[in-house]
Amino acid sequence: DTAVSQTPKYLVTQMGNDKSIKCEQNLGHDTMYWYKQDSKKFLKIMFSYNNKELIINETVPNRFSPKSPDKAHLNLHINSLELGDSAVYFCASGPTGANVLTFGAGSRLTVL
Amino acid sequence: AQSVAQPEDQVNVAEGNPLTVKCTYSVSGNPYLFWYVQYPNRGLQFLLKYITGDNLVKGSYGFEAEFNKSQTSFHLKKPSALVSDSALYFCAVRALYSSASKIIFGSGTRLSIRP
Repeated sequence: DTAVSQTPKYLVTQMGNDKSIKCEQNLGHDTMYWYKQDSKKFLKIMFSYNNKELIINETVPNRFSPKSPDKAHLNLHINSLELGDSAVYFCASGPTGANVLTFGAGSRLTVL
Repeated sequence: AQSVAQPEDQVNVAEGNPLTVKCTYSVSGNPYLFWYVQYPNRGLQFLLKYITGDNLVKGSYGFEAEFNKSQTSFHLKKPSALVSDSALYFCAVRALYSSASKIIFGSGTRLSIRP
């Protein structure tokens, strides 16, 4: 049983397109996150939701819009994709208070 | 500013030798410190954490880390390295963000264990 699952695992698309990545966790955690890992492996937090409420919004372009329909799901929608959006996007979940995180396997986005 | 630094991009160790992966941090208040490991094409996996208590923390796969408050360090160690320990290791710290908190990661250290 996968604890944090992301779909799709791979995504190849053209510049200017809109795409979504979905994430689900079955751990009962209250908090979910999106992290971006670039080609140099730097890992940067993008968003965090606690019980469907946005609590962290780093300096991310507004082309990125997270949505949390319930506390077990956190989706990421990206409009007007750019070359620089190519990265691996990781979903994670954890208990309230930012303690130990459980990560998904990642979604590799390639923008051509 | 709240941050975590890993000064080494890569650490090379012979199998059977001890290993150390370095980490220093800067946070407000008492630090919550973590180590994660990432294998190729996988998500990060939690190894160990320090919140309070003994300065030497033991974690998964025989790893341990030593919290040193005066040096603001949290180095990852293992007495005897295995080839299977080769991976990317991230140090992390809990940082305050407005009324919430977040985990921020260091830049990662690639650990390479040669047979």
